[in-house]
Amino acid sequence: GENVEQHPSTLSVQEGDSAVIKCTYSDSASNYFPWYKQELGKGPQLIIDIRSNVGEKKDQRIAVTLNKTAKHFSLHITETQPEDSAVYFCAARAYNQGGKLIFGQGTELSVKP
Amino acid sequence: GAVVSQHPSRVICKSGTSVKIECRSLDFQATTMFWYRQFPKQSLMLMATSNEGSKATYEQGVEKDKFLINHASLTLSTLTVTSAHPEDSSFYICSAPDRDIQYFGAGTRLSVL
Repeated sequence: GENVEQHPSTLSVQEGDSAVIKCTYSDSASNYFPWYKQELGKGPQLIIDIRSNVGEKKDQRIAVTLNKTAKHFSLHITETQPEDSAVYFCAARAYNQGGKLIFGQGTELSVKP
Repeated sequence: GAVVSQHPSRVICKSGTSVKIECRSLDFQATTMFWYRQFPKQSLMLMATSNEGSKATYEQGVEKDKFLINHASLTLSTLTVTSAHPEDSSFYICSAPDRDIQYFGAGTRLSVL
């Protein structure tokens, strides 16, 4: 089955700097890769996603890149703000897995003012 | 985006009692919903896939008699933790897909005394 590895587990940056979180997946059948932001005590919120037919997607300060050959995808946050502080999860879904998402271990991002 | 409502947000119960958690898709129909469990500072662990009108599919190691799932309508799935014990204390989160994107509820914090 699918396995998703996420790094780093914690990330601390200064306000205004960029943050990069990386994930690798194992199942070449995976074709959808969402990123979720989870604030303390709340459910995850989708912030961006990418499908396997696209190499990069951007939404304002957030971008995601996908390298299908290497089976890795990354989240890039530019001009970080204190409100970006949260836990970020990457996930992968295989076409033939009934819609199940397999999550990475999470990255706790701290943006220091 | 679509809205998934989860209730209650927090519940405290005595050991041996049962607790029911509801998950509703408010503005879309979902033939499938997913139930996750999350321990502090850990990732989301898929417990089961709830299927409208049929039996739920449980992940390996999840006791189906302990965690009863009912998906009686296209907008409601319930998770009942039966004969709860302190080790069942956790954060339970549901999700539902709308047009291929999974949306999460706000989660339920269960504390078993």
